[in-house]
Amino acid sequence: NAGVTQTPKFQVLKTGQSMTLQCAQDMNHEYMSWYRQDPGMGLRLIHYSVGAGITDQGEVPNGYNVSRSTTEDFPLRLLSAAPSQTSVYFCASSYSGSREYGYTFGSGTRLTVV
Amino acid sequence: KNQVEQSPQSLIILEGKNCTLQCNYTVSPFSNLRWYKQDTGRGPVSLTIMTFSENTKSNGRYTATLDADTKQSSLHITASQLSDSASYICVVIRSGGFKTIFGAGTRLFVKA
Repeated sequence: NAGVTQTPKFQVLKTGQSMTLQCAQDMNHEYMSWYRQDPGMGLRLIHYSVGAGITDQGEVPNGYNVSRSTTEDFPLRLLSAAPSQTSVYFCASSYSGSREYGYTFGSGTRLTVV
Repeated sequence: KNQVEQSPQSLIILEGKNCTLQCNYTVSPFSNLRWYKQDTGRGPVSLTIMTFSENTKSNGRYTATLDADTKQSSLHITASQLSDSASYICVVIRSGGFKTIFGAGTRLFVKA
């Protein structure tokens, strides 16, 4: 089925550990982004990419790295996990940025840092 | 400051009843506004997209309205069903660049 696939669905990390959240889409979307969702708050943009080889920071980029070597994949790396990074992470893609086209979201990764 | 405020934070209604969710925004310059439905444990799914010139858009039992002058939008749900229980998120897009501002959402509970 076409869409955005995120793995893993759940993850528990110890403080200081690193990991990569995977995101893949098969819709040939140019635009991909990572958000975090915390209780009582709207989704906040971490990093985004407008095409392969191009990435930029969003609203809350500290502690996260991204790369975009292919159109399909956009992994999010946590360099040294902190309890403040406990959150639900969503990857989203869009055909043409955020103008006339809606985002397609993945089902999320629930991350707990202890 | 670019903000999107949604009300109420949560709402409980009986199955079959109608309800209206509100969204006020201060985002400028405005490009478009979207409503998303987010089921528990899932990612948001788009319900409607409205540009500056559109003031009403429907998607089945969901009807969104937009008043660009007062910077207000509403989402009306008709004849609610148990499956409507979810969070509803208002999203406003700024013109220029990819600035997207999400509201915190309204949590709707539909009871039998």
